[in-house]
Amino acid sequence: DAKTTQPPSMDCAEGRAANLPCNHSTISGNEYVYWYRQIHSQGPQYIIHGLKNNETNEMASLIITEDRKSSTLILPHATLRDTAVYYCIVRGFHGSGNTGKLIFGQGTTLQVKP
Amino acid sequence: ETGVTQTPRHLVMGMTNKKSLKCEQHLGHNAMYWYKQSAKKPLELMFVYSLEERVENNSVPSRFSPECPNSSHLFLHLHTLQPEDSALYLCASSQDFGGGLDEKLFFGSGTQLSVL
Repeated sequence: DAKTTQPPSMDCAEGRAANLPCNHSTISGNEYVYWYRQIHSQGPQYIIHGLKNNETNEMASLIITEDRKSSTLILPHATLRDTAVYYCIVRGFHGSGNTGKLIFGQGTTLQVKP
Repeated sequence: ETGVTQTPRHLVMGMTNKKSLKCEQHLGHNAMYWYKQSAKKPLELMFVYSLEERVENNSVPSRFSPECPNSSHLFLHLHTLQPEDSALYLCASSQDFGGGLDEKLFFGSGTQLSVL
């Protein structure tokens, strides 16, 4: 499974867009990019995932570069409740040369400030 | 509410005690997981069960013993733990293990374990 690199921490003003970057330069063709977040003292929560097209849901948008070596999670209007650790994970299908497991890294601690 | 319930939320135990952590999912999923999260460390995958069969055991010491009696319930039996085993233990479930494009993990809130 490909590894990811994220900045350890970021700040964002409340109401502004939060853009969280992730590098995954060794990603292979059958691996997806997943984003989860973990609010303090809770279990991680799924946000979004994608293969190569940009994706949007009610929580966030995911922008994946054309070469797929990096991606950005966008929270369009950050609130104080978005303060959390955000994990970018690359995962392939079990048995396709990948483990199929979600392996968490250190993530990015996003602090949303009033 | 994620549909995955863990009990207890907090547990303090001595090194000679035996205790069990319980996880229950109400999502109709076929796969269940135990993760360990120590302070300032990433989540570590411990065990994976798929259709009640253990499919992953990531070199976890034998003092941790999982049990999956059916697809809705998962236990982690603990005995003769060490202080370094103090951590947040998280249970998760997914529709299947490693098989689907839209496979997402749903986590419980965890059990915060302190070993004295």
